[in-house]
Amino acid sequence: GNSVTQMEGPVTLSEEAFLTINCTYTATGYPSLFWYVQYPGEGLQLLLKATKADDKGSNKGFEATYRKETTSFHLEKGSVQVSDSAVYFCALSDQEAAGNKLTFGGGTRVLVKP
Amino acid sequence: NAGVTQTPKFRVLKTGQSMTLLCAQDMNHEYMYWYRQDPGMGLRLIHYSVGEGTTAKGEVPDGYNVSRLKKQNFLLGLESAAPSQTSVYFCASQTGGAVKTQYFGPGTRLLVL
Repeated sequence: GNSVTQMEGPVTLSEEAFLTINCTYTATGYPSLFWYVQYPGEGLQLLLKATKADDKGSNKGFEATYRKETTSFHLEKGSVQVSDSAVYFCALSDQEAAGNKLTFGGGTRVLVKP
Repeated sequence: NAGVTQTPKFRVLKTGQSMTLLCAQDMNHEYMYWYRQDPGMGLRLIHYSVGEGTTAKGEVPDGYNVSRLKKQNFLLGLESAAPSQTSVYFCASQTGGAVKTQYFGPGTRLLVL
């Protein structure tokens, strides 16, 4: 079956530091890949997505590239802010499967200190 | 355009009590989902629906029932709550088109004593 593995947190950074959150996946077929962000006390918000190999998703300074050869979708941001403190979830969706269900990683908590 | 809304936001139940969580979406999406979120486990799919009048089991369906009588609403029921159902519950609905994307509600925090 499908699975997503992402680095465990918490990740603690200083403001303006570089952020990387690793995500690897196992899937049959050609999944779409997503990063969701959850701010404290809120629901999940779509951060970015990519649908095929070598696609790069980007939003709010975050980027992730769909790497089929390494089955990875690592999230990066060049200069984090305190407001980026949140839990980040990597997820995949087999768009051809019944229900188009999302499979989530366990989430990575990021704390940015001023 | 409110997106995906959930009621209630928070609820405390005693073991054995029943309740229904309501999810509503105003985006005319066909697919809707119920997830639970537990610490360190990400989100796990409980049930989903691919259209009005249809439902299907997800990864962790035991102890829950669902109904989709109207396209915009997806109800999650707990007939006899157990402490193991203490969790945060999220509803999502999904776009159509070439890249199907799920959008989430704000969540319902449930505590079963």
